[in-house]
Amino acid sequence: AQSVTQLGSHVSVSEGALVLLRCNYSSSVPPYLFWYVQYPNQGLQLLLKYTSAATLVKGINGFEAEFKKSETSFHLTKPSAHMSDAAEYFCAVRDYGGANNLFFGTGTRLTVIP
Amino acid sequence: EAQVTQNPRYLITVTGKKLTVTCSQNMNHEYMSWYRQDPGLGLRQIYYSMNVEVTDKGDVPEGYKVSRKEKRNFPLILESPSPNQTSLYFCASRPGGTSYEQYFGPGTRLTVT
Repeated sequence: AQSVTQLGSHVSVSEGALVLLRCNYSSSVPPYLFWYVQYPNQGLQLLLKYTSAATLVKGINGFEAEFKKSETSFHLTKPSAHMSDAAEYFCAVRDYGGANNLFFGTGTRLTVIP
Repeated sequence: EAQVTQNPRYLITVTGKKLTVTCSQNMNHEYMSWYRQDPGLGLRQIYYSMNVEVTDKGDVPEGYKVSRKEKRNFPLILESPSPNQTSLYFCASRPGGTSYEQYFGPGTRLTVT
């Protein structure tokens, strides 16, 4: 069965600093992986996705993630944090059952300190 | 505008009083799903539907019902709500085929007292 683990339920960074949000996956087959962002009082919005093409995936708002098979990781990064990046971030993996459901991690809340 | 809508956005109710949360999408998506979001637990799937009249249980289906009579609508029914169903609920949809990313509604915050 597929699953994802997000290390760190809360991450704080200073404005302008590097953002690194960690996600490790478990999958018996090549995974499809996603990062979603949830701004306060809103639904989830897709940031980026990995679908077995390029291992470095670029998303919206300057975020990117690198798929590393050897480390079973799909960490999300942004070179310079902005106040507007404060949100909750979820990593998800596609289930290879017939329904292709998504399994979500427990989320990481990012705080940006001015 | 392509979107998933949910109503109501906020609901406070009492134990045992039946309620329905509606979900509608205007993208002609085949797949729809309901999740609940709880602190420290992330999103957990309640029910999903692969198409009209086809529904199946997710990871936490107890205490919930769904129906899919039309492609665009996927209501979530709590026949006898209990306080442990106090949560933030999201509806999502996606096309069929090989597009696996889901599009989410704005959420419904439910409080059961």
